[in-house]
Amino acid sequence: DAGVIQSPRHEVTEMGQEVTLRCKPISGHNSLFWYRQTMMRGLELLIYFNNNVPIDDSGMPEDRFSAKMPNASFSTLKIQPSEPRDSAVYFCASNLWGGGDTEAFFGQGTRLTVV
Amino acid sequence: GNSVTQMEGPVTLSEEAFLTINCTYTATGYPSLFWYVQYPGEGLQLLLKATKADDKGSNKGFEATYRKETTSFHLEKGSVQVSDSAVYFCALSDRAGGSYIPTFGRGTSLIVHP
Repeated sequence: DAGVIQSPRHEVTEMGQEVTLRCKPISGHNSLFWYRQTMMRGLELLIYFNNNVPIDDSGMPEDRFSAKMPNASFSTLKIQPSEPRDSAVYFCASNLWGGGDTEAFFGQGTRLTVV
Repeated sequence: GNSVTQMEGPVTLSEEAFLTINCTYTATGYPSLFWYVQYPGEGLQLLLKATKADDKGSNKGFEATYRKETTSFHLEKGSVQVSDSAVYFCALSDRAGGSYIPTFGRGTSLIVHP
């Protein structure tokens, strides 16, 4: 398997524009997580899905952020409108829940810069 | 709720020095514990794990022992190399809402000089 695939790897956009980040989890995994990484706050869980259903979005910072998972092989994280403080690295991760020792597999991340 | 606390970095060492990165956790259940490593420009990848008390996880010369009595999972390596320079994350995975949610510490940057 190719692992968790995220696109784009880098995104530079102007304040106010819509940004869409994409993630393809590992085939067969049934949990998907979106994280944001910044120097100030470390790695924050934004939202997670179980069997394509959003379970907990309490980490989403504002209504400007939204996430979807229309099927088992694809998820998006959208920011509309984007702001400079959204600049961060966004990671998608997936795992197969069913045992407490299941590790999370991470994509390479999308580095977002909002100018 | 669950949380992970790890020592702040950066940790700067000379090659072949001994490494310890401290990690303690708070959890309501009986979590599994992990160390992940992040190399520059990459995502996190699993380094080692332990699933129950007194288990020792090991990989690439790194070790960590699950200590339930002290709620700790300290990472150690006897002789670090320049190639070990990276950011290390301690994490736990505990069941919530039908999923096993990874909770991460803030990360500790390790810099190894030749």
